Amino acid sequence: AQKITQTQPGMFVQEKEAVTLDCTYDTSDPSYGLFWYKQPSSGEMIFLIYQGSYDQQNATEGRYSLNFQKARKSANLVISASQLGDSAMYFCAMREGRPMDSNYQLIWGAGTKLIIKP
Amino acid sequence: EAQVTQNPRYLITVTGKKLTVTCSQNMNHEYMSWYRQDPGLGLRQIYYSMNVEVTDKGDVPEGYKVSRKEKRNFPLILESPSPNQTSLYFCASSLQRRGISEAFFGQGTRLTVV
Repeated sequence: AQKITQTQPGMFVQEKEAVTLDCTYDTSDPSYGLFWYKQPSSGEMIFLIYQGSYDQQNATEGRYSLNFQKARKSANLVISASQLGDSAMYFCAMREGRPMDSNYQLIWGAGTKLIIKP
Repeated sequence: EAQVTQNPRYLITVTGKKLTVTCSQNMNHEYMSWYRQDPGLGLRQIYYSMNVEVTDKGDVPEGYKVSRKEKRNFPLILESPSPNQTSLYFCASSLQRRGISEAFFGQGTRLTVV
């Protein structure tokens, strides 16, 4: 079964509009972390935002916020006031469990390609 | 500047010719990992290392080797590359602790095996 599901392969959004990128996850571990990364066409992976499973509040970083709905196991990324430079692939990823005694790997979704139209 | 450095960025090679992709980090991170990225599949882990001389297989280890003789370096070795190993490869490192232990990524290595 997929542990991270991103249901939107691609999205077109008008510049200055807000964007929501969907991510649902599957885990039975009570301790986990959720990450969003941006990959522009140049290929590098850029960390955007993190949400811990025990965090009480939704994470925010500048124009990025994470809509964390724990009961629904969703962690959607919201980009406010989109810009042309936001055009990129966006990946949702999860880490499960405790870092000291297991493979603390990132498990990735397939990604969403976001294109911002002028 | 905190960074993960991969080399080379681009590589075209022929089937069967051994190659090594280097990865080095300057953040004293315990945990390092190699991923490959293929269209529609996201990133999949090849190998990981929880510290010096401690390495283990990820989800897609076949055809790859790694070593961790020093904390900062984690090279990826393809002993006999095949065309199905054509991919974009990422090295990542992070602290081995709970919380916001984001992974820092190298710039990626785009490998083509012909």
